[in-house]
Amino acid sequence: DAKTTQPNSMESNEEEPVHLPCNHSTISGTDYIHWYRQLPSQGPEYVIHGLTSNVNNRMASLAIAEDRKSSTLILHRATLRDAAVYYCILSSPGGSQGNLIFGKGTKLSVKP
Amino acid sequence: NAGVTQTPKFQVLKTGQSMTLQCAQDMNHNSMYWYRQDPGMGLRLIYYSASEGTTDKGEVPNGYNVSRLNKREFSLRLESAAPSQTSVYFCASSEMIQKQYFGPGTRLTVT
Repeated sequence: DAKTTQPNSMESNEEEPVHLPCNHSTISGTDYIHWYRQLPSQGPEYVIHGLTSNVNNRMASLAIAEDRKSSTLILHRATLRDAAVYYCILSSPGGSQGNLIFGKGTKLSVKP
Repeated sequence: NAGVTQTPKFQVLKTGQSMTLQCAQDMNHNSMYWYRQDPGMGLRLIYYSASEGTTDKGEVPNGYNVSRLNKREFSLRLESAAPSQTSVYFCASSEMIQKQYFGPGTRLTVT
């Protein structure tokens, strides 16, 4: 499975946009890009996923570079509740059934 | 809908004891998974079940067994607990590969 690289930590101010980067230079053509987050003392929570085109949902937006070697998760207005560890994960439909390989992720702190 | 539920929430075992962690989902998902998360680390897959009646090893299966009892339930058994199995255990289920739903976790300490 291809690897991802994320910064260990980031800080944001409440109500400001947050851009969380992820590098995945060895991504293959069939790999999906997933983002999950884990709030303190909880299980991971699905945020968004995409293949090639940018994606939007009620939680966030996912911007995928044209060469797909990097992507950015965008939280449009950070709230205190968005403080969590954010994981960028690649998964290939042809690989182990649903196997998501979690790295250490990016710990996002949100200041009031 | 309760989503994915796990029992117990907390457990303390002595080395050599056995126990079973229970997981159930009410979303009619075919696939279910067991992960462990050690302090400061990401999750690692222990076992998964692509459908009722099938199970496969993940990244760290040693010391564990699983049973896919029916479509709803997927249990994880520690036959002889070791301190290295102290961890937080998460169960998950999915229909689409891209979207897994996780339970709240079981915090296990082995002394």
